[in-house]
Amino acid sequence: EAQVTQNPRYLITVTGKKLTVTCSQNMNHEYMSWYRQDPGLGLRQIYYSMNVEVTDKGDVPEGYKVSRKEKRNFPLILESPSPNQTSLYFCASSSKGLTEAFFGQGTRLTVV
Amino acid sequence: LAKTTQPISMDSYEGQEVNITCSHNNIATNDYITWYQQFPSQGPRFIIQGYKTKVTNEVASLFIPADRKSSTLSLPRVSLSDTAVYYCLVGANAGKSTFGDGTTLTVKP
Repeated sequence: EAQVTQNPRYLITVTGKKLTVTCSQNMNHEYMSWYRQDPGLGLRQIYYSMNVEVTDKGDVPEGYKVSRKEKRNFPLILESPSPNQTSLYFCASSSKGLTEAFFGQGTRLTVV
Repeated sequence: LAKTTQPISMDSYEGQEVNITCSHNNIATNDYITWYQQFPSQGPRFIIQGYKTKVTNEVASLFIPADRKSSTLSLPRVSLSDTAVYYCLVGANAGKSTFGDGTTLTVKP
């Protein structure tokens, strides 16, 4: 079954404690992307990757890092989380950009 | 990326056809128009994509006039389960993607 898997689904952490949200896809997609969704602000793109070792900033990259060492995985790293990064995060993958992107189940992150 | 404008909300009744229009006056020559559906606390789900004229699949149709400055997503015979937020995106199928505010569709019995 084609899917994008995010882990963890829920996470409560404290300010400053480094964390990683993993994203894995089984469709051999070249394109992957991370979004955050906040009430009243819709979905905002954080980072995207066009292929292995190729990443670029989206609209809200501050405070986040990503890496794309292999095609199937695209982890999102928060080196020093802050409360304003409390949000619902989605990972997506597709064969090409906006076309038929598959989204993960979401990760609800709370930073206290 | 072209900015998109959609109605904030729409109401409909079961069995009706629903048309959601998106304006994108600054669409570029190589931009596609893509629609996604999102249920609460779930990731968006791809509905349809088009470049010009009309595209139809098993769940929706997408109408794009010749000037491509707007597009209309048509959902035939909606049911309660079609209650969701619908997003129109315009872009070149690569790299950056910007979701607008979306249209909250409420289907009533």
